[in-house]
Amino acid sequence: AIWMTQSPSLISASTGDRVTINCRVSQGIAGYLAWYQQKPGKAPELLIYAASTLQSGVPSRFSGSGSGTDFTLTITSLQSADFATYYCQQYYNFPRTFGQGTKVEFK
Amino acid sequence: EVQLVESGGGVVQPGGSLRLSCAASGFRFSNYEMNWVRQTPGKGLEWVSYISSGDNTIYYADSVKGRFTISRDDAQNSLYLQMNSLRADDTAIYYCARERADGEGDYWGQGTRVTVSS
Repeated sequence: AIWMTQSPSLISASTGDRVTINCRVSQGIAGYLAWYQQKPGKAPELLIYAASTLQSGVPSRFSGSGSGTDFTLTITSLQSADFATYYCQQYYNFPRTFGQGTKVEFK
Repeated sequence: EVQLVESGGGVVQPGGSLRLSCAASGFRFSNYEMNWVRQTPGKGLEWVSYISSGDNTIYYADSVKGRFTISRDDAQNSLYLQMNSLRADDTAIYYCARERADGEGDYWGQGTRVTVSS
């Protein structure tokens, strides 16, 4: 199985901050990577797919980059609605695997 | 509007069985691959199973292989997960998720909670 390692596990930030979350993959997955946002008690929501393509309706302050084994999710100018947990997921092959999550909390 | 609604969760004793359902609406269900993904309390996400559209290609996580069975009924716009020989570590919220052609999960249900406890 492909291992996904997210870092950091926790980010303490304030509104307006720039936030970067990293996802390292144990083998090359080309661009078959998605980012999800999850708020407490809710299902995950797709933010970015194909490593860098913004899902319809997602604010442009979210962006994704990377290919192969190293990927990044960036939130420019953090808003109150962005305090949540973020997961990366590879869909290059089965089993699908997720990172362990990065919680973005209010500082 | 795309909707996925899971049901069938509950409390079951170790070794017991449950059948989860996912009712789909707002899209042509038969055209989409579907997945079950679970989330243990306070923990992360774990992919459980996949079923393709058309030829019903199926995959399982090693942790559930031989115990869980995924199926779909396109006439009923429904996805199922038959869970047998349940263990305490199967306790989780179970989500169904629609998968687009390239593999990303674009819509998820709100989940159904399964608790395995004596």
